[in-house]
Amino acid sequence: QSALTQPASVSGSPGQSITIPCTGTSSDVGAYNYVSWYQQHPGKVPKLMIYDVSDRPSGVSNRFSGSKSGNTASLTISGLQAEDEADYFCLSYTSTSTWVFGGGTELTVL
Amino acid sequence: QVQLVQSGAEVKTPGASVKVSCKASGYTFTTYPLHWVRQAPGQRLEWMGWIKPDNGDRKYSQKLQGRVTITRDTSATTAYMELSNLRSEDTAVYYCARQGPRAFDTWGPGTTVIVPS
Repeated sequence: QSALTQPASVSGSPGQSITIPCTGTSSDVGAYNYVSWYQQHPGKVPKLMIYDVSDRPSGVSNRFSGSKSGNTASLTISGLQAEDEADYFCLSYTSTSTWVFGGGTELTVL
Repeated sequence: QVQLVQSGAEVKTPGASVKVSCKASGYTFTTYPLHWVRQAPGQRLEWMGWIKPDNGDRKYSQKLQGRVTITRDTSATTAYMELSNLRSEDTAVYYCARQGPRAFDTWGPGTTVIVPS
């Protein structure tokens, strides 16, 4: 199972919006609504930000949103803040009852 | 509160095995699957496998199939991940994560495993 495809890095200025795509196949992202997104600051444990494509756990800012079209899921962060600077990983369930992460995207807030 | 506590860091020689534990508390252990995820230095998260604590069903990544074994002890509310035939590429932080109602909602603190080359 190959990793889902994410850009290695994205950047944006405070207050702007950015979108991180996560591209899979019809056997994972395209087949199920079990896509989730995780934020990881350096040296820290991953934190769940979005689950089931577009749902947000309690306590996560509504600046974070998720969507999916075909085999590509996306994470959008609006109103960028310095604290959003981190790595972001997508995760999807697959047709072989396994799970696969994306390669990760480093977000820089300029 | 829901909590996962992992065993301590390990240094192993190539070819050896390592067994990492993950003790769950704050919820009914048999209700939710537990996953193991690893992250090599500076690298992406890699899903290793999962176990359903109620019946012991498990599934492993194709890459690690044959070298990884995930087990659980329901009386101890603990899951275990054993990786055999260690090589330097297995140097990583190993996490356990609960698959709750909302994806991987709780993560352990991570266990560093070092395999010198």
